[in-house]
Amino acid sequence: EVQLVQSGAQVKKPGESLRISCQASGYSFTNYWIGWVRQMPGKGLEWIGIVYPPDSNTRFGPALQGQVTMSADKSISTAYLQWSSLKASDTAIYYCTRSRSGIFDYWGQGTLVTVSS
Amino acid sequence: DIQMTQSPSSLSASVGDRVTITCRTSQIISTYLNWYQQKPGKVPKLLIYGASSLQSGVPSRFSGSASGTDFTLTISGLQPEDFATYYCQQSYSTPYTFGQGTKVDVK
Repeated sequence: EVQLVQSGAQVKKPGESLRISCQASGYSFTNYWIGWVRQMPGKGLEWIGIVYPPDSNTRFGPALQGQVTMSADKSISTAYLQWSSLKASDTAIYYCTRSRSGIFDYWGQGTLVTVSS
Repeated sequence: DIQMTQSPSSLSASVGDRVTITCRTSQIISTYLNWYQQKPGKVPKLLIYGASSLQSGVPSRFSGSASGTDFTLTISGLQPEDFATYYCQQSYSTPYTFGQGTKVDVK
């Protein structure tokens, strides 16, 4: 059974750093890209980008390019989304997904990130 | 980047109704169009990929079609569990943009 298990909710202050994780199981981690999707409070889905686990190659959407880093550790089948300096506007639920040629067929449970002073 | 225009943004319907949601893309994307369902407080779920292929386990009352840059999601015989928000997404080229969503609620 394919599963994507994300790290737990985080409450941070503006300017702090953060890394959230997504651990995959039930399939060959290196055969699929991992996608990240943002959902701000009360809003729709927004594509952040995708990361290729064998070499951490990435593709970013325009909204968060330069604002976040995506990476993957194939030895533990885990993908990461990282911020060096959070802003209040980063408050959102972040989902990781398995990307099958751009089709998001499996989703993690989501990680709620709250940034507040 | 490919722009997605989804309509309507919301609609009210009754159980048993036939519901149609449209997604228009800013350029030709062949059939690289997918549909997702999200219920309040829940994780999005893939319904249809490749414009018309039903994801495993999705009821057959859901169907999708394509005509040029216009794509349609149809629910034939709305069920109580179908009240949700629906999103289209293109997988033709990165960034793989989503539509703005269509909320289907009870009339």
